[in-house]
Amino acid sequence: NAGVTQTPKFQVLKTGQSMTLQCAQDMNHEYMSWYRQDPGMGLRLIHYSVGAGITDQGEVPNGYNVSRSTTEDFPLRLLSAAPSQTSVYFCASSSSRASGYGYTFGSGTRLTVV
Amino acid sequence: DAKTTQPPSMDCAEGRAANLPCNHSTISGNEYVYWYRQIHSQGPQYIIHGLKNNETNEMASLIITEDRKSSTLILPHATLRDTAVYYCIVRVENGGFKTIFGAGTRLFVKA
Repeated sequence: NAGVTQTPKFQVLKTGQSMTLQCAQDMNHEYMSWYRQDPGMGLRLIHYSVGAGITDQGEVPNGYNVSRSTTEDFPLRLLSAAPSQTSVYFCASSSSRASGYGYTFGSGTRLTVV
Repeated sequence: DAKTTQPPSMDCAEGRAANLPCNHSTISGNEYVYWYRQIHSQGPQYIIHGLKNNETNEMASLIITEDRKSSTLILPHATLRDTAVYYCIVRVENGGFKTIFGAGTRLFVKA
């Protein structure tokens, strides 16, 4: 199993550009989330989804959109990139079963907005 | 979900046990305690979780107090590769979708 796959691994954007960060998981997990991590800081929740067709906002949702058309995929869209969105973005998935092993994280997308 | 409190940083000598504390005084009866770690700039990695009994796996042990208001993650023989940020999180049953990570504890394992 591949687990959680994020693409691209690195991206440089100009201010005002838009782009989509891809996230796919092959574990049939119901829950998926997007986090951002600024240098030297902890993880902050951007958006999350409890299943296909259902999404909700996390701690820092402004400037980002998400959709969940399938169980496997949870793309994150930056509408108009700003330098403040320079960060490492992690996608994670989890089973709804409490006895599951918590979140499985992807390897991250390192985004620089210039 | 209950909030957790962890010390910002800790040191540990290589080969010794690393004991990382976590306070979760407002934990509810159906909330589990989860531990993750993040090595350098990699994605966080699951370590262990528990409800009220002590748990052990190949990576670590988790000791939860009887009142469940605090827990300790134990790395029995810390190595330099265990240098990482360790996150303690509490999560409700079937509700782990909105998991909030705190700042964690930065563990430095020294030779």
